[in-house]
Amino acid sequence: QLHLQESGPGLVKPSETLSLTCTVSGDSIVSYYQWAWIRQPPGKGLEWIGCIDYAGTTYYNPSLQSPVTISVDLSRNQFSLKMRSVTAAETAVYYCARHLGSVAGGVDYWGQGARVIVSS
Amino acid sequence: QSALTQPRSVSGSPGQSVTIPCTGTSSDVGAYNYVSWYQQHPGKAPKLIIYEVTNRPSGVPDRFSGSKSGDTASLTISGLQAEDEAEYSCCSYAGGYTHVLFGGGTKLTVL
Repeated sequence: QLHLQESGPGLVKPSETLSLTCTVSGDSIVSYYQWAWIRQPPGKGLEWIGCIDYAGTTYYNPSLQSPVTISVDLSRNQFSLKMRSVTAAETAVYYCARHLGSVAGGVDYWGQGARVIVSS
Repeated sequence: QSALTQPRSVSGSPGQSVTIPCTGTSSDVGAYNYVSWYQQHPGKAPKLIIYEVTNRPSGVPDRFSGSKSGDTASLTISGLQAEDEAEYSCCSYAGGYTHVLFGGGTKLTVL
């Protein structure tokens, strides 16, 4: 059974970099899937941030205000999110997840979510 | 590109059916058969219940069904049960620039 687990700081200061890592267990990250980051601000809907495949090909949401980088570490079966120059608008629960097949597919596995607060 | 449009809330009594619409545009919902639906209980991660407009993952009851007409996709839940009370969100592929759009979510209350 596939399991995804987010880890990283729960509090980030404004203008600094938000960094989260997703550890994948139960299957290799080297597979025909896209590995995604999705967030949910308090009381709001889900927002897709972007995704990456095992070869490092990335797709990002062009409407995001803060610059985003998603990377993959095959040796650790992990993928990561970095969001720079964050503001309070980045306060959210961040989920790592897996797309069914390509980026067009539904998201069939989700981590439990990591709550990140941006505040000084 | 704007998020997909869903009603903020819907309600129904046990045993009844409810339908939740998800309205997009000809660039997303109307263009691709890659609409998915998610059920989310408070404090929990979303759960995939419909993918590619009409398909149910293994283990999802057939009370949940999906459809699409033009730029609007719909989720229908028949035979409402108390445990169906949750937030439901739609999602669509939107092509090679925007990629993926979610709806704002609909709170289903089982009366």
